Order: sequence, then structure tokens, then C-alpha cells
Amino acid sequence: EIMLTQSPGTLSLSPGEGATLSCRASQSVSSNYLSWSQQKPGQAPRLLIYGASSRAAGIPDRFSGSGSGTDFTLTISRLEPEDFAVYYCQQYVSSPPAWTFGQGTRVEIK
Amino acid sequence: EVELVESGGGLVKPGGSLRLSCVASGFTFSSYSMNWVRQAPGKGLEWVSSISRSSADIYYGDSVKGRFTISRDNAKNSLYLQMNSLRAEDTAMYYCARHFDEKFTFNIWGQGTMVTVSS
Repeated sequence: EIMLTQSPGTLSLSPGEGATLSCRASQSVSSNYLSWSQQKPGQAPRLLIYGASSRAAGIPDRFSGSGSGTDFTLTISRLEPEDFAVYYCQQYVSSPPAWTFGQGTRVEIK
Repeated sequence: EVELVESGGGLVKPGGSLRLSCVASGFTFSSYSMNWVRQAPGKGLEWVSSISRSSADIYYGDSVKGRFTISRDNAKNSLYLQMNSLRAEDTAMYYCARHFDEKFTFNIWGQGTMVTVSS
């Protein structure tokens, strides 16, 4: 089973600052299978990035994804007040089909 | 507007059963694989089960295999999750999520229905 480890657990930043979130897989993952979602308190997750680097519809360009193999990164170039939330990376495995999530990174207001 | 609305959650005793429903609107339900994902209070996300467009392919996470059954009724634009032999660790918000075809992730989520397993 491929495990996803996100770091840091919590990121304390001020609006306007940049954020770099890491997602490390225990084995190599196809970039096609790696996505990022955002979840705010009391809300369902929202897809931000799929295929490691493609933004979902309606996602601002301050969000970007990168990486390959076992190391993936979500970058928020300049934090807006609405970006303070929990972020999850997610991977798909094909045999048998299953999806796993990282444990999440909380981005909080400093 | 594309929407998923879950229902059927509630309080149930350990060993009991519950059936969750998810009604889809705003898109052609029969064209998409569907999923259930859960989140225990204060915890992260856990994929539970997936069903293909025609119900031909069904998959479960290890923690629910043999206890939960996913199904769908394309004529009613509805997805279901029959949960049997419930345990305290099944306590969670259960989300219905639409597959993002060819992209290996989920791009539409419902607001969730809460399941609490407690005596």
C-alpha cells in the first residue's frame, strides 16, 4: 500500500505570504494520479489540482502544483484570507482501484 | 447547477445498519462513476467505495469490505451505501463524490451526511 505523508502538519502564515505544502509518497506515483483538494471547516473538499499540476475549473492561478515520482508540492503564491484551510493530497492506485489521502496540512493565520 | 445531496445519516447502535442515499442533479448521472468518501470527526479523508457507470465495477476500502455495499439507480439519479455491522470507528461524515473521468480524482462533492455509531 502506498502511503502519502504531508508536511508540515500546520503552516502558520500571514495573508500575502507564499505557502509551500509537501506530499511525499512511500513509492513512486504516476503524476496523472496525484491531486490536491482544499477543505474549509464545515464544508466538503474542493478539487484544486489534478494530474499533479493542472488546475481544476475556477481555481485561481495563485495555486500551482508540481512534482513527480515520490515528491509533490502545492504552492500558493500569495495567501488570500479565503485560502486558510486544510489541504489534502490524494493518489489513485490502479490494481485494485483505490484512492488514498494524505493526512492533511492546515494553513492557519499567523 | 451540478449538485449532490446526501441523506440517511443518523445515530445507530454498534452492530446496526444504515442506508445512505445521494441524489444527483444538473448532470447526466449515468455517465459518471461515483464514490463514497468519509471523514471521522477531526480527522482526514478516507475513500470508502467506488461504483462504475453501469455498476459493473465495484471497489471497497479494506476497512469496510464485507460490511458495506455500494449501489446505484441511474433511472433515479441516485447512489446508495448500505452499511451493516456498524462499528464505533465508522462514525464519520459520509460524502458522495463524482468521479472526474480520466483524471483519477473526484471533482464534485456533496455536503455530506453524518453517521454516528454509539450505544
